[in-house]
Amino acid sequence: DTGVSQDPRHKITKRGQNVTFRCDPISEHNRLYWYRQTLGQGPEFLTYFQNEAQLEKSRLLSDRFSAERPKGSFSTLEIQRTEQGDSAMYLCASSRVRGGNPSSGNTIYFGEGSWLTVV
Amino acid sequence: DQQVKQNSPSLSVQEGRISILNCDYTNSMFDYFLWYKKYPAEGPTFLISISSIKDKNEDGRFTVFLNKSAKHLSLHIVPSQPGDSAVYFCAASVPGNTPLVFGKGTRLSVIA
Repeated sequence: DTGVSQDPRHKITKRGQNVTFRCDPISEHNRLYWYRQTLGQGPEFLTYFQNEAQLEKSRLLSDRFSAERPKGSFSTLEIQRTEQGDSAMYLCASSRVRGGNPSSGNTIYFGEGSWLTVV
Repeated sequence: DQQVKQNSPSLSVQEGRISILNCDYTNSMFDYFLWYKKYPAEGPTFLISISSIKDKNEDGRFTVFLNKSAKHLSLHIVPSQPGDSAVYFCAASVPGNTPLVFGKGTRLSVIA
C-alpha cells in the first residue's frame, strides 16, 4: 500500500494526558498536511510542512499542539494536556508540489485518519 | 468566516438519476477547486478538480462545473449509484499551492 498511512487509527485517552499521532506520507511527496475534522464540519487546516520545514500554522493550533517532520519524511502531531474539545478525527494528507507555475493547483491525498476520544 | 459554503447538508437521489451537489465561495482569489468524497470512519478521497481557467471538467460519471462570475461550482454525478452514498466536500485554494479550504460537506444518499 503506497497511500498515506496514519497510526494509531483510534485513541481513547483521559483528559490531561498527552497523545501523539504519526503520519507516513506517500513516497516522494514533499508536502505534508495535518487537518482536524469534527462531526458536521469539513476538514480544518492545522499545519503543513514542505520537506522538513513547517511553513504555516493555523490559529486553531494552540500551544498544546506541536507537529514535527524531522527528516522530511514521516510526521508526528502531539497534543499535550488533552481536553475534551480535542476529540476529533485528525487527518494527515500529502502532496507533491513542483516548482514553477504557482497556479498549478495542489491535489492532496488523505490518510484514513486517527480518531481521538478524550474522556 | 466560511469561505467555502455547501448550503445543503443532505441530498437524496434515486439510483440512476443525476445527483447535483453545489458549492459557493466568497474568496475571488481561489483558482483551484476540488471535490472529495468521504465514507464514515475513513479519510476523504479525491474525486475531481478544476482550474479557474476552465469551466468544466469531466471524469467518467463525474463532472464539475465552475461559474466564476457567480462564485459557484457544482458536481454532477450521472447515473447515481448506491455506492456513491457518502459525504461530499468541496475545497478550494488560492495561487501558490496553499493549503485547501473545505466546505462543511453534503451528505448524498442514493436510494435503490
